[in-house]
Amino acid sequence: NAGVTQTPKFQVLKTGQSMTLQCAQDMNHNSMYWYRQDPGMGLRLIYYSASEGTTDKGEVPNGYNVSRLNKREFSLRLESAAPSQTSVYFCASSAGPFITSGPSTDTQYFGPGTRLTVL
Amino acid sequence: RKEVEQDPGPFNVPEGATVAFNCTYSNSASQSFFWYRQDCRKEPKLLMSVYSSGNEDGRFTAQLNRASQYISLLIRDSKLSDSATYLCVVNPERYSTLTFGKGTMLLVSP
Repeated sequence: NAGVTQTPKFQVLKTGQSMTLQCAQDMNHNSMYWYRQDPGMGLRLIYYSASEGTTDKGEVPNGYNVSRLNKREFSLRLESAAPSQTSVYFCASSAGPFITSGPSTDTQYFGPGTRLTVL
Repeated sequence: RKEVEQDPGPFNVPEGATVAFNCTYSNSASQSFFWYRQDCRKEPKLLMSVYSSGNEDGRFTAQLNRASQYISLLIRDSKLSDSATYLCVVNPERYSTLTFGKGTMLLVSP
């Protein structure tokens, strides 16, 4: 099993350009997440999808959109990139949804990350 | 009060030492507790879940104290390969997403 995969691994954009980060999981998980990680800030949740067909805002959703394409795939789109969006982006998945709550359903598994620089 | 608080460190210890990290959480209704490990420029990976009775996995022991709202991680016989950032993670309430602490950095030296 590949687990959680992300593409691309690295990306450099100019201010105002758009791009989509792709994420896929092969663990038959219901819930998927997008985080960004900046020095000194820890992991911050951008958007999540508790189940196929639903998406919800996290802590820092401004400037981003998401699509839960199917159960396996969850993409993150930057419509007009800004230097403040320079970060490392991680996708994660968990068994979920939140019908039950405990270690087995809550544990999140992360992809390898995308390093994005916006000039 | 922040939801999950950790001492950022770094904790500098020699090989073979025992080191302990604590983490406090603010929501007494929190359901699930974890320690994740993150190597430099890599993704976070689950180290262990933390159960009320405490649990051990090899050199690692995790404890949960619900009354005082903290969890701890004890690492015995530290190895160079234990050098990483350790993230305390809490599910702050039922049907919620996880909340990650900012991490405690551990540096193990020869």
